[in-house]
Amino acid sequence: EIVLTQSPATLSLSLGERATLSCRASQSVGSSLAWYQQRPGQAPRLLIYDASNRATGIPARFSGSGSGTDFTLTISSLEPEDFAVYYCQQRSIWPPSFGGGTKVEIK
Amino acid sequence: EVQLVESGGGLVQPGGSLRLSCAASGFTFSSYEMNWVRQAPGKGLEWVSYISSSGNTIYYADSVKGRFTISRDNAKNSLYLQMNSLGAEDTAVYYCARELERRHYYFDFWGQGTLVTVSS
Repeated sequence: EIVLTQSPATLSLSLGERATLSCRASQSVGSSLAWYQQRPGQAPRLLIYDASNRATGIPARFSGSGSGTDFTLTISSLEPEDFAVYYCQQRSIWPPSFGGGTKVEIK
Repeated sequence: EVQLVESGGGLVQPGGSLRLSCAASGFTFSSYEMNWVRQAPGKGLEWVSYISSSGNTIYYADSVKGRFTISRDNAKNSLYLQMNSLGAEDTAVYYCARELERRHYYFDFWGQGTLVTVSS
């Protein structure tokens, strides 16, 4: 089973700052990686799939990059609604698996 | 508007059973693969089970294989999860999730979740 390790566990930033979240896979997943946002009390929301493709309706300030074992989610300028937990997920090797999450909190 | 509404969660004793339902609307349910994903309180996400659009192909996580059964009724636009032999480790919010078209195991719409608590 693929283990996804996300770092940092918590990211403390101010409104308007750039957020850089990391996801590392225990073995190569190619480009088969997605990112989700989960606000408190809500279901996850798909942000990025295939490492760099924004899902429908996702603002351009969200971007994804990487391949193989190292991936990055970047939020170019934090808006109030962006403070949430972010999960990466791979679908390359069965079973699909999620990372432990990165919490983006207001500094 | 795509909607997924789960129901059927609640408190159950260890060893007990529960059946979750997910009512889908706003899209052609019979054309989409569906999944269940769970989240233990304060924890991360764990994929549980997959069912193809026709219902002919089914997969389970090892942690639930032999205890959980996924099914669907395309005439009723509904997804189900029969859970037997429940243990404390099954306590979680259970989400039904639609797969992104032509992208297996990416989940583009999720329900609000239903909480299952296994406790005596």
